[in-house]
Amino acid sequence: EDQVTQSPEALRLQEGESSSLNCSYTVSGLRGLFWYRQDPGKGPEFLFTLYSAGEEKEKERLKATLTKKESFLHITAPKPEDSATYLCAVNNNAGNMLTFGGGTRLMVKP
Amino acid sequence: DVKVTQSSRYLVKRTGEKVFLECVQDMDHENMFWYRQDPGLGLRLIYFSYDVKMKEKGDIPEGYSVSREKKERFSLILESASTNQTSMYLCAVPLGYGYGYTFGSGTRLTVV
Repeated sequence: EDQVTQSPEALRLQEGESSSLNCSYTVSGLRGLFWYRQDPGKGPEFLFTLYSAGEEKEKERLKATLTKKESFLHITAPKPEDSATYLCAVNNNAGNMLTFGGGTRLMVKP
Repeated sequence: DVKVTQSSRYLVKRTGEKVFLECVQDMDHENMFWYRQDPGLGLRLIYFSYDVKMKEKGDIPEGYSVSREKKERFSLILESASTNQTSMYLCAVPLGYGYGYTFGSGTRLTVV
């Protein structure tokens, strides 16, 4: 059974204070690892897909990296508008279904 | 842009009522999913459909059923709503290989 664990559950940062969110996973044949951002009361919004160990993707202040056991979402010099819950999910070779982690709630104070 | 539309953002229903949550996609995709999201439990798959009139149970199907009469519409039905079904319900459609899902905006259901 695929499993995804995210840490920490919550993270408070000062504006400009860089940090990383962790996503540890076990999956039977990784087809893709996905990062989403979710604002309160809204559906998750797709950020990145990573396919293989060593791959990196960047978007503005966010950079996602992947190893064989975990993924990191690095946030460089965050701003208050980066405050959200960040979700990680994996897809195995069996099909289209994703397994989600519990998410990390990020709060960036001005 | 692909679009997944959930008919209601907020719903309040009474215990025992039959509740319908609607999801419509404009992508002509075969697969559609229903999740519920609860604090501390993350997203849990309730049901999914891989074609018209085809459905499969997810991890937590008890108390729910689904209907897919047309490709673009996937309905989640709470046969007799209970307070433990108070939750955020999310519909999702795959974006395509390697792009994860597009989610609807969610329906926050409160059962009183």
